[in-house]
Amino acid sequence: QVHLQESGPGLVKPSQTLSLTCTVSGASISSGPYYWSWIRQPAGKELEWIGRIFSSVSTNYNPSLKSRITISGDTSKNQFSLKLSSVTAADTAVYYCARLTQLHHVFDIWGQGTMVTVSS
Amino acid sequence: DIQMTQSPSTLSASVGDRVTITCRASQSISNWLAWYQQNPGKAPKLLIYKASSLESGVPSRFSGSGSGTEFTLTISSLQPDDFATYYCQQYNSYWYTFGQGTKLEIK
Repeated sequence: QVHLQESGPGLVKPSQTLSLTCTVSGASISSGPYYWSWIRQPAGKELEWIGRIFSSVSTNYNPSLKSRITISGDTSKNQFSLKLSSVTAADTAVYYCARLTQLHHVFDIWGQGTMVTVSS
Repeated sequence: DIQMTQSPSTLSASVGDRVTITCRASQSISNWLAWYQQNPGKAPKLLIYKASSLESGVPSRFSGSGSGTEFTLTISSLQPDDFATYYCQQYNSYWYTFGQGTKLEIK
């Protein structure tokens, strides 16, 4: 059974870098047919796709966030990570990691989510 | 970018009712459309993919239809567990966007 778990600080200061890690069990992030993705959801608002990584190398990012995002993978730990720089209060949200199918381009397995607040 | 617009934003219904939620894309997305259910404090759950294919384990009372720019999610007979928020999601050219959500409330 595939399981995803987000981890990282729950509080980040404005202008700093938000860093989160997703640990995957039950599947390898280095093999297809899946991408591994980050999605966020501000309180009471819709979901926003952040970006995806394939085989720990190939990435695609949401153009609206692209200048501030880095997604990377660590196959030895079966983890992938998100770094979001120059954060503001608008980046406060629940951050989810999710498995993204290559065949149907849907998010079929999600982590439980982690709340990140940007505040001084 | 492709915008996804759901209607209604809120829907009040009773157990046993048949309900339909609509999702419109700002340009054609063929059938690259999925539906998710989200309960408060929980991650979304995939219900429908490729506009009309039912995800494994999802009850058959859920169904999807549409192509191009207009899509619908129908629940044939509402059950207590179905009162939640529903989101559509599209895929186009390495980019994914979600609708703003439809909250299904108990009347």
